[in-house]
Amino acid sequence: DAGVIQSPRHEVTEMGQEVTLRCKPISGHDYLFWYRQTMMRGLELLIYFNNNVPIDDSGMPEDRFSAKMPNASFSTLKIQPSEPRDSAVYFCASSPSRGWSNQPQHFGDGTRLSIL
Amino acid sequence: GESVGLHLPTLSVQEGDNSIINCAYSNSASDYFIWYKQESGKGPQFIIDIRSNMDKRQGQRVTVLLNKTVKHLSLQIAATQPGDSAVYFCAEIPRGNQGGKLIFGQGTELSVKP
Repeated sequence: DAGVIQSPRHEVTEMGQEVTLRCKPISGHDYLFWYRQTMMRGLELLIYFNNNVPIDDSGMPEDRFSAKMPNASFSTLKIQPSEPRDSAVYFCASSPSRGWSNQPQHFGDGTRLSIL
Repeated sequence: GESVGLHLPTLSVQEGDNSIINCAYSNSASDYFIWYKQESGKGPQFIIDIRSNMDKRQGQRVTVLLNKTVKHLSLQIAATQPGDSAVYFCAEIPRGNQGGKLIFGQGTELSVKP
């Protein structure tokens, strides 16, 4: 299994530009999660999807952030316009669901985003 | 990967010794717990999990202990190796939490001295 695949691995862009982060979950997983990791705040859940439907977006910082999941094998996290305080490592994770039983989330290697 | 706080707890052990990493979780209603390992430049990697109906679970060189009375979780690593150096996170999922929304702990940095 290829695992969760994220692209790009690194992104450096200027303030005000649109940024799009991409994620391919593990095949067969029907939950997808977007996280942000910073020195100050640790790992924060931004949004998660079940069967391509957003379930909880309460962690999305503000309207500049949006996420979509057009199909089971692809999701995007978009920031428009970007600001320096958005600089962080963004992780995507996926997990299967098996009835009542929780399953661990599997993470990609993240996108390191720097907004200048 | 990113350190997860300016003042991450750190644990330094000698290669070959056993390591014990502790975690106090927040929600007495949590019924599923996971330990993750995060190496520099990588995402958190699943190590082992445990459900609330258990108090111990063993994997390869790792053991997780759960004490629900004091809401404490620990990860024991036997014969610690340099490759075990990383930040370790515990995570919990409260009972009834749809979709397994994880609540992560602060993280502990493990440093293994050769």
